[in-house]
Amino acid sequence: GESVGLHLPTLSVQEGDNSIINCAYSNSASDYFIWYKQESGKGPQFIIDIRSNMDKRQGQRVTVLLNKTVKHLSLQIAATQPGDSAVYFCAGREAGTALIFGKGTTLSVSS
Amino acid sequence: DAGITQSPRHKVTETGTPVTLRCHQTENHRYMYWYRQDPGHGLRLIHYSYGVKDTDKGEVSDGYSVSRSKTEDFLLTLESATSSQTSVYFCAISDRDSTGELFFGEGSRLTVL
Repeated sequence: GESVGLHLPTLSVQEGDNSIINCAYSNSASDYFIWYKQESGKGPQFIIDIRSNMDKRQGQRVTVLLNKTVKHLSLQIAATQPGDSAVYFCAGREAGTALIFGKGTTLSVSS
Repeated sequence: DAGITQSPRHKVTETGTPVTLRCHQTENHRYMYWYRQDPGHGLRLIHYSYGVKDTDKGEVSDGYSVSRSKTEDFLLTLESATSSQTSVYFCAISDRDSTGELFFGEGSRLTVL
């Protein structure tokens, strides 16, 4: 089965800096990964996803990198803003199975 | 925002009582999920549904049952609540199984005394 974990439970950055949130997974058969953002008191919201046939995918101010060799993915947030403060979850899945979520990293942005 | 409504949003109950949480969607999505969220554990899948009357267990299904008699409603029942089931419960929906883009509700906070 899959297990997904984050390297750091908390990350503090200054406004305007770039943020990097890391995640490791265990199942080499996982073929799909996704990042969610959860603000206090709300449900998680989709940020960006990536399939295992890709190494990199970019969205608006966010980039996800996937390194299948070491089973690692990261979320990069450019020019971090106070509104980016939240808990970030990575999740992965093997085809035909349900998403397995990591425990979350709390990003704190100070201005 | 996806049309997902969870009820109740907050509930306090006593050990041994039955509890039902409701998830209602207006998106006509096929897939519906119940997760629980606890400090240090992230989100864990309890049960999910891939159609009316079609449900399956997730990783933490013990002590929970679900029912889906209509596309729009997915009920989570705790037959006899225990303190270990104190948690925040999230419903999620998806219109396809090939991706993981789930749309989550706002959560239901359950406290079992």
